[in-house]
Amino acid sequence: AQSVSQHNHHVILSEAASLELGCNYSYGGTVNLFWYVQYPGQHLQLLLKYFSGDPLVKGIKGFEAEFIKSKFSFNLRKPSVQWSDTAEYFCAVNPAGTSYGKLTFGQGTILTVHP
Amino acid sequence: GAVVSQHPSWVICKSGTSVKIECRSLDFQATTMFWYRQFPKQSLMLMATSNEGSKATYEQGVEKDKFLINHASLTLSTLTVTSAHPEDSSFYICSARDGQGGAKNIQYFGAGTRLSVL
Repeated sequence: AQSVSQHNHHVILSEAASLELGCNYSYGGTVNLFWYVQYPGQHLQLLLKYFSGDPLVKGIKGFEAEFIKSKFSFNLRKPSVQWSDTAEYFCAVNPAGTSYGKLTFGQGTILTVHP
Repeated sequence: GAVVSQHPSWVICKSGTSVKIECRSLDFQATTMFWYRQFPKQSLMLMATSNEGSKATYEQGVEKDKFLINHASLTLSTLTVTSAHPEDSSFYICSARDGQGGAKNIQYFGAGTRLSVL
């Protein structure tokens, strides 16, 4: 069965620091990859996605992620975080071509940004 | 963007009673909806996949007789926790997948329902 691993459970940064959250998955075939964000008290929102093409994808709010197929990774990055980025971030994987788009989520990474 | 409404947001019930949670896609037709369970400080665990007009597909270890799923229309899926017990207390989240075009692999999430069974 496929699995998704997020390396950091809790990351604490100061504003303007750079961010990189790791995500690795185990699945041998073609995958669709997602990062979702959950702000305190809110529902999960799609941050960005990768289906095919350019492995460097840009999402909302200045986030980007790079798909490295050889490393089975899809790390999330932001050059300069803001206090408002404080949230929990989830990486998710879906085997491409499956008819229902079932997602497997990582454990989540809580990001706390201090002003 | 696509909106998924989940109701109620919080429910408290007595042990042995049943609770129904609704999940609605407000501005798109959801051919597929998903039900997740999230334990404190853990990730979302998929419980079942619900396709409109057909029986839900449950993940391994999920009791289908306990967690009844109905997806009677393209905009509504319901999860009924039957004969709830304290160990069923959890945060239940639904998502809906837009069946159209390029958005077909994107899931949009409801705000979740916190169930507390006394």
